[in-house]
Amino acid sequence: GAGVSQSPSNKVTEKGKDVELRCDPISGHTALYWYRQRLGQGLEFLIYFQGNSAPDKSGLPSDRFSAERTGESVSTLTIQRTQQEDSAVYLCASSFESSATYEQYFGPGTRLTVT
Amino acid sequence: GQNIDQPTEMTATEGAIVQINCTYQTSGFNGLFWYQQHAGEAPTFLSYNVLDGLEEKGRFSSFLSRSKGYSYLLLKELQMKDSASYLCASYTGGFKTIFGAGTRLFVKA
Repeated sequence: GAGVSQSPSNKVTEKGKDVELRCDPISGHTALYWYRQRLGQGLEFLIYFQGNSAPDKSGLPSDRFSAERTGESVSTLTIQRTQQEDSAVYLCASSFESSATYEQYFGPGTRLTVT
Repeated sequence: GQNIDQPTEMTATEGAIVQINCTYQTSGFNGLFWYQQHAGEAPTFLSYNVLDGLEEKGRFSSFLSRSKGYSYLLLKELQMKDSASYLCASYTGGFKTIFGAGTRLFVKA
């Protein structure tokens, strides 16, 4: 596609349920990033993929969070047993090279609300 | 530690010039990004500075001083559409970019 796409755009879930967020990066982009943005705050780095491997998972807040990527395409971020503190916009970005010195192209985000 | 400071909000008048400052203290530093984010939208890339000095790109310029841990984004001939959040971000290496909380800029007529 022309840009990074994410689905769903909005997700409302009950506390304790699992959710799965999807990201389709720009075709040919080898690097993929997940960020979390709480209301009025900056972007919090979660995880980075180079191809389908994740060299850096240090930003994942807890073991309830996991992510995987199929080849150099779709990635899913899974949050198990959601908590209200997980409510945020989850942004995915991709870049052409593995180095973050190249600009990251962001998707529109998934707004997650945990009730 | 990782610390990026930028003002929370700024207000400026259409047609004027505004400077948004950013100071950073990060473990590792390779370069400094500026992104623009309109409300409810994804961030979009504005600039990336690696070397000290000013880089100009149309109405927007970005400055970096590595020795001072300081950067600024300069917006000239402000337009209403420039009302947005401006995110300062440090590329620390290891494929990690640390973002500041952003500066919300309000442009008034």
